Amino acid sequence: EAGVAQSPRYKIIEKRQSVAFWCNPISGHATLYWYQQILGQGPKLLIQFQNNGVVDDSQLPKDRFSAERLKGVDSTLKIQPAKLEDSAVYLCASSLGPQDYSPLHFGNGTRLTVT
Amino acid sequence: AQSVTQPDIHITVSEGASLELRCNYSYGATPYLFWYVQSPGQGLQLLLKYFSGDTLVQGIKGFEAEFKRSQSSFNLRKPSVHWSDAAEYFCAVGQTGANNLFFGTGTRLTVIP
Repeated sequence: EAGVAQSPRYKIIEKRQSVAFWCNPISGHATLYWYQQILGQGPKLLIQFQNNGVVDDSQLPKDRFSAERLKGVDSTLKIQPAKLEDSAVYLCASSLGPQDYSPLHFGNGTRLTVT
Repeated sequence: AQSVTQPDIHITVSEGASLELRCNYSYGATPYLFWYVQSPGQGLQLLLKYFSGDTLVQGIKGFEAEFKRSQSSFNLRKPSVHWSDAAEYFCAVGQTGANNLFFGTGTRLTVIP
């Protein structure tokens, strides 16, 4: 099966600019996650979708971050305006669903550098 | 609140030597525990998971982990390390009812010839 696809792989922007990341989960996976991985740290959950509804966005900085999953498949994560501390790898993951503790499958991530 | 501690930031082992990576967790209920591996520039790959039952779980690539409730630990082991095992290893605990993960800060493994 095809894995989780993310684009772009790398992005360099200046602070106060905006940026968007795209994720296509594994076909049939109802649950989609966005994680932020700052250098030297473990991934931290930003937002979790079940189909096109939000399950958990308690760690999402909503003043600058937004995410959507229209039609319950692809998802985009946007940052506007970006800050220096947003420099990180943004990982998308998907799983069959939340109730079975099915494994999370991760994409290769988007490395964001804010200068 | 759940948390995961990986006390070793960086470990270096010789190829062929045994390996143990430490993981301690804090969680109020029975934890769901995972080990993931991340190679440079790659996403995270699941090595193994513990939900219940046998406390010694086998994973891919020859890895195993043992759940010890009394020590709140879930250490990862491999009897003989290969050069291709060099990577970052993350322990994670799952949040009941939500299927999202809290990760430790990771242990970077270097394998020397």
